[in-house]
Amino acid sequence: GESVGLHLPTLSVQEGDNSIINCAYSNSASDYFIWYKQESGKGPQFIIDIRSNMDKRQGQRVTVLLNKTVKHLSLQIAATQPGDSAVYFCALGGYLDNYGQNFVFGPGTRLSVLP
Amino acid sequence: GAGVSQSPSNKVTEKGKDVELRCDPISGHTALYWYRQSLGQGLEFLIYFQGNSAPDKSGLPSDRFSAERTGGSVSTLTIQRTQQEDSAVYLCASSLAQAGMGEQYFGPGTRLTVT
Repeated sequence: GESVGLHLPTLSVQEGDNSIINCAYSNSASDYFIWYKQESGKGPQFIIDIRSNMDKRQGQRVTVLLNKTVKHLSLQIAATQPGDSAVYFCALGGYLDNYGQNFVFGPGTRLSVLP
Repeated sequence: GAGVSQSPSNKVTEKGKDVELRCDPISGHTALYWYRQSLGQGLEFLIYFQGNSAPDKSGLPSDRFSAERTGGSVSTLTIQRTQQEDSAVYLCASSLAQAGMGEQYFGPGTRLTVT
């Protein structure tokens, strides 16, 4: 079956620096990718998504990069702020298996912003 | 506007008892998902409803787990004969888009503790 993994379980960055969170996946059938942010005690919150026909998409202070050749997804956060401290999940969507449509979430990376 | 709500927010139950968790999706959202999140882990897909179609139950971990969605809106997740390994946060999400695509809006979750 498909799997989603993260290169680092934790990431600490200085306030004001840029953060890069990475995600590797194995199912090449996925055609939709999402990043979620989860703060302590809350449900995940959508950050940004990207379709497989794109390799880059920008939002407010965030950029998602997709490299389908090596099955790699990354989230870049510019000028990281204390409020960015959270767990970040990548997720694969689209037609993943014989059951049809589904989402698969990675295990998450905890981002800590240092003052 | 109102987001996804879940009840109860916390549930402590004894091993062997049945529990019922409730999810109220955002009005008009046709897609509804249930996930399970163990401490420090990613999201594990459980079940997915799309409108009045038969649910995708491919993620349910055992036959002790069941879910229904009445009138295409409110959903309940039932766990029978609870076990300690069922302890987790159960998250519900709804979406306007078809499964596998589009932003999911998550509720705050129900924290289940089986003693």
